[in-house]
Amino acid sequence: RKEVEQDPGPFNVPEGATVAFNCTYSNSASQSFFWYRQDCRKEPKLLMSVYSSGNEDGRFTAQLNRASQYISLLIRDSKLSDSATYLCVVKEGGATNKLIFGTGTLLAVQP
Amino acid sequence: EAGVAQSPRYKIIEKRQSVAFWCNPISGHATLYWYQQILGQGPKLLIQFQNNGVVDDSQLPKDRFSAERLKGVDSTLKIQPAKLEDSAVYLCASSLRRLAGTDTQYFGPGTRLTVL
Repeated sequence: RKEVEQDPGPFNVPEGATVAFNCTYSNSASQSFFWYRQDCRKEPKLLMSVYSSGNEDGRFTAQLNRASQYISLLIRDSKLSDSATYLCVVKEGGATNKLIFGTGTLLAVQP
Repeated sequence: EAGVAQSPRYKIIEKRQSVAFWCNPISGHATLYWYQQILGQGPKLLIQFQNNGVVDDSQLPKDRFSAERLKGVDSTLKIQPAKLEDSAVYLCASSLRRLAGTDTQYFGPGTRLTVL
């Protein structure tokens, strides 16, 4: 079983649509959770951290369910510029800052 | 603020040849990471340095890969000899310190390696 699992997509959605990505992780001792965004042929960049209480940043909402080991990202009112790969990322427990990346979910927003 | 710098951006070599990549982290960042990202996959950590010491190299194929960060600033990653399956993007990242879940890792643009 992969440590971090995501649906690779692609998700093809029209502009203005709402789209949701899901992710599961296998290590119950994982400490912190993130969504990174990676544009085609570019480096990953932190989109947002994910907290148990849920958090929102503009059109983006992230949720964490520790009991189910499940993470989600919701994008409302999709823009063309949202087209990218969204990587679910888990920080291992312990004193390191080791990140485990999922394979990513490709989003293509269509005009 | 300048970001993480990497060179070269692209490299094409034949199998069994050697190759080296260079990374200069963000100024003042104590922790440096090398990741391998194979097409269609997420980045995988190869090695992590804290200043000039190795924190984690458990996923580094040590028979062919080596890395150093001698003065605790810039770093080199070497592959010798390269195999076809080493074709990937090699990403360098840095963070301010090793601890804490909020210690954001900042990535460089990567070096795209093609092994023929």
